[in-house]
Amino acid sequence: GAVVSQHPSWVICKSGTSVKIECRSLDFQATTMFWYRQFPKQSLMLMATSNEGSKATYEQGVEKDKFLINHASLTLSTLTVTSAHPEDSSFYICSARDLRDNYGYTFGSGTRLTVV
Amino acid sequence: KQEVTQIPAALSVPEGENLVLNCSFTDSAIYNLQWFRQDPGKGLTSLLLIQSSQREQTSGRLNASLDKSSGRSTLYIAASQPGDSATYLCAVPRMDSSYKLIFGSGTRLLVRP
Repeated sequence: GAVVSQHPSWVICKSGTSVKIECRSLDFQATTMFWYRQFPKQSLMLMATSNEGSKATYEQGVEKDKFLINHASLTLSTLTVTSAHPEDSSFYICSARDLRDNYGYTFGSGTRLTVV
Repeated sequence: KQEVTQIPAALSVPEGENLVLNCSFTDSAIYNLQWFRQDPGKGLTSLLLIQSSQREQTSGRLNASLDKSSGRSTLYIAASQPGDSATYLCAVPRMDSSYKLIFGSGTRLLVRP
């Protein structure tokens, strides 16, 4: 089945630094990638949708200058948390649609970000 | 605006018990409903997808039903096992963009040996 590889699985960074999270579709072309944020014991909240070769679409309330998304190829999307602060600490998950399976969503394994 | 709710938030059962997880949604005009499983600190695994025209879907010990008119879906797990311990989330597509999902808050299931 479709696989999305997400790295790193966890990262600790100092406040004010930037962190990049990568998601790669391993065996299919992901024209659309979704980025979610999840707080402890809460559900997934969609942050943004990225389409290969175009600008990402951000959900209401999500700062696009803080959460930079790049989808430069059909197999790679990145989320960069810029000037991270402790309140950015969260679990970030990416998801992609495999168009061979019209309704199928494949999720990455998630990245635990801790900003100290 | 569509809202998805899951009850109970947490559930602890002894091994072997049959159990039901509930998912409700406020807008019955949905394209489909999906159930996912999330292990601690991990991403999501798709379990079952029910199209709006279907009443239920089955996969192994899992059976999901859908009642659009009442805005409800249930996930039935038969003969639960400790390996079933995880958080189960349901999700429906947004009406303004059918490929974007709205998730419930999940039910954390613990199956005790």
